[in-house]
Amino acid sequence: DQQVKQNSPSLSVQEGRISILNCDYTNSMFDYFLWYKKYPAEGPTFLISISSIKDKNEDGRFTVFLNKSAKHLSLHIVPSQPGDSAVYFCAASDGDAGKSTFGDGTTLTVKP
Amino acid sequence: KAGVTQTPRYLIKTRGQQVTLSCSPISGHRSVSWYQQTPGQGLQFLFEYFSETQRNKGNFPGRFSGRQFSNSRSEMNVSTLELGDSALYLCASSFAGTSGETQYFGPGTRLLVL
Repeated sequence: DQQVKQNSPSLSVQEGRISILNCDYTNSMFDYFLWYKKYPAEGPTFLISISSIKDKNEDGRFTVFLNKSAKHLSLHIVPSQPGDSAVYFCAASDGDAGKSTFGDGTTLTVKP
Repeated sequence: KAGVTQTPRYLIKTRGQQVTLSCSPISGHRSVSWYQQTPGQGLQFLFEYFSETQRNKGNFPGRFSGRQFSNSRSEMNVSTLELGDSALYLCASSFAGTSGETQYFGPGTRLLVL
């Protein structure tokens, strides 16, 4: 039973447009959600996070929205840049950051 | 601060062998977690160590084990390797592994089992 799901394996957008990456979860005990970006041959790097007590967190071009009732979160990237092309992982934890549950990832391609 | 380092970066083994992977966390970080990533899959949690004790364990067979030393460095061991163990093994560290903390990942060790 996969507790964190990213249903879109890939997403392609034009440079300058908005990228929206989605993530669904089933465990209502999750209290913290994170997005990581991963380039080939590198480990994932932290992008942005949100606590379950909030519904939005913004950091520059990146905004994460959390809809607890729908158990859904999304990452918005505006404007998208070619350097944003990477695999994006959604992750969640339930009080223990050392044991995070990850989705399968979404490969974002931003075309110039 | 230096980031999380993992050695070796690449490894080729044959079925039945065993392997040991090493991870050095960011200085001051006491929580070290291990994840396995296979092609097309997300990161599957293996285990977490904190202050030399295994604090959490994922759903992997007993062939997968680990330990943490007093300087927070960690090793994971896989015995009796199987073809399906071919994967990228990622180590991540955080200060204490408590809610709200960010994990910092190393570059991973890519293991190929032939």
